[in-house]
Amino acid sequence: KNEVEQSPQNLTAQEGEFITINCSYSVGISALHWLQQHPGGGIVSLFMLSSGKKKHGRLIATINIQEKHSSLHITASHPRDSAVYICALFSQGGSEKLVFGKGMKLTVNP
Amino acid sequence: DAGVIQSPRHEVTEMGQEVTLRCKPISGHNSLFWYRQTMMRGLELLIYFNNNVPIDDSGMPEDRFSAKMPNASFSTLKIQPSEPRDSAVYFCASSPEWTESSYNEQFFGPGTRLTVL
Repeated sequence: KNEVEQSPQNLTAQEGEFITINCSYSVGISALHWLQQHPGGGIVSLFMLSSGKKKHGRLIATINIQEKHSSLHITASHPRDSAVYICALFSQGGSEKLVFGKGMKLTVNP
Repeated sequence: DAGVIQSPRHEVTEMGQEVTLRCKPISGHNSLFWYRQTMMRGLELLIYFNNNVPIDDSGMPEDRFSAKMPNASFSTLKIQPSEPRDSAVYFCASSPEWTESSYNEQFFGPGTRLTVL
């Protein structure tokens, strides 16, 4: 069983739509990281979460430690939001291991 | 700041050859990470350093891979001998600090696309 599951795997939306990307995990974590990988390959860190909610511009990230679930929301989506969104978790247990989800490919059409 | 700098950006080599990838982290960052990304396995953490000391190298595939950080401004990832299955994009990232009690955002370099023929 994968430690990190992202859903959906692919999503196509129309410009302006509200988008939710989900990340579920099965291990105890110390922190969760949302990354954005652009079509050109560059990776940008969006959020680092250990509890609650963070907001940056049109992006909102939430995490529920008890339910082992995090969501990334995009409001008023735009074609430039088209990218792969990757959830990564920093697992507990002394291994200090970073585990990555497979990513979710988002396409926002104009 | 120029961000994390990686070189070369592209490398094509033949099986059996030695490959050295280079990374210059953002000045002042104490943590440095090496990642590998493939279509099959996605992003994988290979190794990370805190204050030039390797902390976790459990992701390093095998003895053919080695990483060094001789000083705070430079790190290398070496593969010898290289094999076709090593073909991937290798990313370096740095962070102000990364410990179990203090997590900071990671800043990624542009990556090195390695092709081993």
